[in-house]
Amino acid sequence: GQQVMQIPQYQHVQEGEDFTTYCNSSTTLSNIQWYKQRPGGHPVFLIQLVKSGEVKKQKRLTFQFGEAKKNSSLHITATQTTDVGTYFCAGHNNDMRFGAGTRLTVKP
Amino acid sequence: DVKVTQSSRYLVKRTGEKVFLECVQDMDHENMFWYRQDPGLGLRLIYFSYDVKMKEKGDIPEGYSVSREKKERFSLILESASTNQTSMYLCASSLIRGLPFFGSGTQLSVL
Repeated sequence: GQQVMQIPQYQHVQEGEDFTTYCNSSTTLSNIQWYKQRPGGHPVFLIQLVKSGEVKKQKRLTFQFGEAKKNSSLHITATQTTDVGTYFCAGHNNDMRFGAGTRLTVKP
Repeated sequence: DVKVTQSSRYLVKRTGEKVFLECVQDMDHENMFWYRQDPGLGLRLIYFSYDVKMKEKGDIPEGYSVSREKKERFSLILESASTNQTSMYLCASSLIRGLPFFGSGTQLSVL
């Protein structure tokens, strides 16, 4: 079945540094979604990518979907303490499979 | 606003008990999902359903069963709860290939 792998598992950065998390699927996806989860909360939807090679930006966040629609990345430029949380990708075909998440901590 | 409601925020059960986790959505979504979330493992799919009375196994169905008698309700059943089923359980619903909406989660502790 479909598997989604996400790396790194943890990332600790100094405020102002950049951060990137990567997802890779074992199968071609119809779309991929990204979520952010704060401690004690549930996953909150950030964005959905559908097209091969698609790039979307939300302020300091840049999301990319690979040409083969099997991998994706989320890049945060100049992290802030408000970026703290766990970022998940979710690959969507007939069902939805999540990556294990990347937990981001930011040192002020 | 789409609403996905999970019946309990916190639940404490004893080993061997039968446990029902209920999830209700109000947007006529076809798809419903049950995940468990554990530190370092992310969200793992237990079961999903794409129609009434239909169910599909996810990655970790062992020890669980599900019921979808009505479109809006998807129940997760632990036939005989065990301590390794202590976890956060998240329900989600979506249209076919649509964006999923999550419930607030149920933190289950099995003692």
